[in-house]
Amino acid sequence: GESVGLHLPTLSVQEGDNSIINCAYSNSASDYFIWYKQESGKGPQFIIDIRSNMDKRQGQRVTVLLNKTVKHLSLQIAATQPGDSAVYFCAESTTSGTYKYIFGTGTRLKVLA
Amino acid sequence: DGGITQSPKYLFRKEGQNVTLSCEQNLNHDAMYWYRQDPGQGLRLIYYSQIVNDFQKGDIAEGYSVSREKKESFPLTVTSAQKNPTAFYLCASSMRPSYGYTFGSGTRLTVV
Repeated sequence: GESVGLHLPTLSVQEGDNSIINCAYSNSASDYFIWYKQESGKGPQFIIDIRSNMDKRQGQRVTVLLNKTVKHLSLQIAATQPGDSAVYFCAESTTSGTYKYIFGTGTRLKVLA
Repeated sequence: DGGITQSPKYLFRKEGQNVTLSCEQNLNHDAMYWYRQDPGQGLRLIYYSQIVNDFQKGDIAEGYSVSREKKESFPLTVTSAQKNPTAFYLCASSMRPSYGYTFGSGTRLTVV
């Protein structure tokens, strides 16, 4: 498999428990945020996004929380399943002008049976 | 089904060779991007293109070149000037800048 994430922080969670993955973003002007999931040897998959006019957004089994005061983003996964095992990383951008995404380094989630 | 396709999945390059990585999308997206991914680091932007026949350098463009002759295609050439090319290369597209990306499945390039 792909060697991405050799030195990443790892979160180990028991199957069925909830997972919380955190991300500190760098630019106070960022107004759009995305969480991606990347399985070994594959490209990242979009999970959920949030704009800065919101502080919470829910999807299917996932919730993203945004705290602009401390520039913190979190991804909550409910009832974690073995298929959730992957590297998760956040991305931030500004939606005005010529944008660029800034990607976090990621957290490896291991689901224990 | 619409998507973004990268090929090949694995590529081996000898010292001093140029190699080209393919990226094709049928999503009708205007913007396309190339990123490099190394262990323990976030994705780093190599080149991006917001429209056909136009592209801009990203943060680590040295040793790379691109073209955007068609909306669907954004090939990346890794030249011999790139001194440390071994990495996982990801192509992405978006409907327009500031929207989320759709990523390809990546090309693993190894120098032998």
